Amino acid sequence: QVTLKESGPVLVKPTETLTLTCTVSGFSLSNARMGVTWIRQPPGKALEWLAHIFSNDEKYSSTSLKSRLTISKDASKSQVVLTMTNMDPVDTATYLCARILCYTTSCNMFWFDSWGQGILVTVSS
Amino acid sequence: SYVLTQPPSVSVAPGKTATITCGGDNIGRKGVDWYQQKPGQAPVLVIYYDTDRPSGIPERFSGSKSGNTATLTISRVEAGDEADYYCQVWDSRSDHVVFGGGTKLTVL
Repeated sequence: QVTLKESGPVLVKPTETLTLTCTVSGFSLSNARMGVTWIRQPPGKALEWLAHIFSNDEKYSSTSLKSRLTISKDASKSQVVLTMTNMDPVDTATYLCARILCYTTSCNMFWFDSWGQGILVTVSS
Repeated sequence: SYVLTQPPSVSVAPGKTATITCGGDNIGRKGVDWYQQKPGQAPVLVIYYDTDRPSGIPERFSGSKSGNTATLTISRVEAGDEADYYCQVWDSRSDHVVFGGGTKLTVL
């Protein structure tokens, strides 16, 4: 059974750095057809992609947030970590991680087939 | 940047067919995925790679594409289908995952 679970602070102050961890089970972060993505959803708003990382350590992130985002993984711990610097109240959102399943090992076609429940992060002084 | 356009809302009576569209330039060249999100819950994949259905998703859910539009069709709609639906693609030009703005499906 595939599971993903987000963990981290639920309250951060403006200008602080947010560090979130996605702990996965039921699959390996070393699987060539898999990866993990981070997505966020402000209250009442649409899904917004943040970043993702594949088994070969290839990383992609949203250009609108690129300078603030870092994604990394530790396959031995089955964890993917997202850091976002200089947090602002507009970054208040539920942050979700999801498994990427690729059509082939080239991962040029993929989808998000399993999701964590998400963690609501509030940015406030 | 690449944009996917969805209608904000669609309403349908129980037992009828709901169609949710997702428009984007050259969407025919991209794999389109669809997610269902019920209030307070994480999204669930309902269609991947345009037309494929994950195991456990009812056959009532189907996907298609024509021209610059992808469509999610839900046949014999049930009250439990009421949710927000999002389309999503990978835009290889910008190396971005793009989500549509979401469509709220209301079952009358």
